Amino acid sequence: SQTIHQWPATLVQPVGSPLSLECTVEGTSNPNLYWYRQAAGRGLQLLFYSVGIGQISSEVPQNLSASRPQDRQFILSSKKLLLSDSGFYLCAWRVGMGPEKLFFGSGTQLSVL
Amino acid sequence: GQQVMQIPQYQHVQEGEDFTTYCNSSTTLSNIQWYKQRPGGHPVFLIQLVKSGEVKKQKRLTFQFGEAKKNSSLHITATQTTDVGTYFCMNTGFQKLVFGTGTRLLVSP
Repeated sequence: SQTIHQWPATLVQPVGSPLSLECTVEGTSNPNLYWYRQAAGRGLQLLFYSVGIGQISSEVPQNLSASRPQDRQFILSSKKLLLSDSGFYLCAWRVGMGPEKLFFGSGTQLSVL
Repeated sequence: GQQVMQIPQYQHVQEGEDFTTYCNSSTTLSNIQWYKQRPGGHPVFLIQLVKSGEVKKQKRLTFQFGEAKKNSSLHITATQTTDVGTYFCMNTGFQKLVFGTGTRLLVSP
């Protein structure tokens, strides 16, 4: 069966520090991968998505970047965190396109102080 | 670009009352999926609607897809405290998956 792992669960970082959040999927091949961010009490903002290794589409032109070095690995990074980067970061995957449902990781609560 | 709005943003009901959230799109939806996110948790898939006018039921939850495939609704009959959470709709069929703005439901016992 397929599983998605996302870590860490919580993270407290100072402003200006770097960030690396990792997400891995098991039990499937060539998944579509997604990074979402959710501010407290708000909706799900799509940050990046990837349909294959090395293919990244960015939806938010901020100080965040994403990479997909392996088929089932998706990494969210920042060189210098801002206060506004605080939020709940969710990784998700699904099989290809069409009517397939999304499966989410358990999320990372990031606090930038 | 694709915009999917949900109303209301927030609703507080007494246990036993009904609840409805509406999902409205500026463009025709391919398929619509509904997700529920419990407080502190991650979104979990509830159901998918594909056909124009489709109605599906899951116990106390009724999902409907509009005839023009530009709107959808989720109705909960006789809410329970376990229904607390945020409900999101999402248009599928594209690589870029954008969620609706969400409706947060609070149920008081």
